[in-house]
Amino acid sequence: AQKITQTQPGMFVQEKEAVTLDCTYDTSDPSYGLFWYKQPSSGEMIFLIYQGSYDQQNATEGRYSLNFQKARKSANLVISASQLGDSAMYFCAMREGRGGGYNKLIFGAGTRLAVHP
Amino acid sequence: NAGVTQTPKFQVLKTGQSMTLQCAQDMNHEYMSWYRQDPGMGLRLIHYSVGAGITDQGEVPNGYNVSRSTTEDFPLRLLSAAPSQTSVYFCASSPGDRVGYGYTFGSGTRLTVV
Repeated sequence: AQKITQTQPGMFVQEKEAVTLDCTYDTSDPSYGLFWYKQPSSGEMIFLIYQGSYDQQNATEGRYSLNFQKARKSANLVISASQLGDSAMYFCAMREGRGGGYNKLIFGAGTRLAVHP
Repeated sequence: NAGVTQTPKFQVLKTGQSMTLQCAQDMNHEYMSWYRQDPGMGLRLIHYSVGAGITDQGEVPNGYNVSRSTTEDFPLRLLSAAPSQTSVYFCASSPGDRVGYGYTFGSGTRLTVV
C-alpha cells in the first residue's frame, strides 16, 4: 500500500493567489515526520517545511504553511501569494520513527505546480 | 559548506558497462542514502547507510552495490548497466535517526543507459 499519496499530478495557480497541494499518508507509527521538498526545473531537491507528529501547531516557513490534520492523516502544503518562481515539482515525504522507518524518507509521486502570470 | 556533492552530473553508458557514482558530504552526517527518480514515481530508495561500515538495501537494490568506508563518502556502483537503470540518481544525507532530521540532497546525476 502506498504510504504517501499525492493525488494531484498537476496544478496551476494565478500569480499572487494561494494554492494548496494535497498529501495523505499512512502509518501506524505514533512518531513520524512529514516533509515537503521543492524540485525546480534545474533538478535539485530543496527542503521547504517540516511537521512532526507530536507538534501541536501547524508548521509555517515564510509563505509556506502545512495544514496538518492528524486524524485524517493529511499534511497539505499551502503556498500563499504564489510567485512565478514557485513553478516546480513538489514532493511530500515521511520519515517514521520505528521498525527501521527512520532509515529512509518515503516519497509521494509529486505534484507539478505551474504559476501563471 | 559544500553539503552533498555528487559526481558526475551527467553520464551515458552502454548496456553492460559498469560505473561508480560518487557522493561525498562534509556535514559529518551519520546517515547516507541513494535514491532514484523516475517519472511519475517520486524517489525510491536504492541503498542506505547508517554509519561507516554499515549498509543495507532499500526498495530497489537490484543491480547496484554500495560501500561506506568513511563517514564522508558513499559511492554507488552499477555492476552491469541496463536500460532500466536510466534515471536520475540522488544521494542524500541526514544527521541521525530522529524523525525530525531531514535529508540534504545532492544535485543529482542524470544517467542514460543505451
